[in-house]
Amino acid sequence: NAGVTQTPKFQVLKTGQSMTLQCAQDMNHEYMSWYRQDPGMGLRLIHYSVGAGITDQGEVPNGYNVSRSTTEDFPLRLLSAAPSQTSVYFCASSYSGPRGADTQYFGPGTRLTVL
Amino acid sequence: TQLLEQSPQFLSIQEGENLTVYCNSSSVFSSLQWYRQEPGEGPVLLVTVVTGGEVKKLKRLTFQFGDARKDSSLHITAAQPGDTGLYLCAGVRGKLIFGQGTELSVKP
Repeated sequence: NAGVTQTPKFQVLKTGQSMTLQCAQDMNHEYMSWYRQDPGMGLRLIHYSVGAGITDQGEVPNGYNVSRSTTEDFPLRLLSAAPSQTSVYFCASSYSGPRGADTQYFGPGTRLTVL
Repeated sequence: TQLLEQSPQFLSIQEGENLTVYCNSSSVFSSLQWYRQEPGEGPVLLVTVVTGGEVKKLKRLTFQFGDARKDSSLHITAAQPGDTGLYLCAGVRGKLIFGQGTELSVKP
C-alpha cells in the first residue's frame, strides 16, 4: 500500500494563477480531507468528504474548490492564487472520519508559495 | 482565537530530561488525539484517548485525558534525540480541531 500520496511536493505560483493539488489513497477510505498548516496555527481544515460525490466546507474554505468523483481521489483546486495561500497543504484519509476517533492518515504534504 | 491551546510552543531540552506538553480548551471533546510530525512529512498518529481520566502509555510517552474531557497532557520520560519533532494535539468535535503544536528539540 502506498497510503496517501500527494503531488506535487513543491509548487511556486504567481498571484492569479490556478492549479490543482492532487491527493490519492489506496486504503479504500471513505473520509478524506484537506488541511493547511501555517506557523503557529496548527492544521486548519479546508474541505472534507465523507464519500464519493459528497463534499463539505471546513474552517477555511474560501479560495478553494474540491470534488470527489471516486473513493480514491480528492483534488484541491486553487481558483486564483493569492499570497495568503502560501502554506503547506496536507491531505488525510480515514475509514469513517473523526467522529469514530479513527486514525487519520496524512500525506507528505505540498509546499506552495504564491508570489 | 484558538479553540485548543497548546503549551509550550517551543521546548529545547537535554537528553535524559523529562517534559510535559499541555493541551487545554474550554470546550468538551468526544476524544482527543496526539500526533507527531517530522520535518517534510505529514503528522503521524501516536494515540487516541476517549474516556475522561484515561491514561495511555506508549513506551516513554504517557498521555492523559482530563476528567472533564477538555484538556490533555503528554509526558515524555528521559527524552532522547529521536523524540525531536512537532507534537500536535487534536480534539474531536465532529471534525478534528488542532492545537498550534509544540516544537520539541532534544539535544544529545
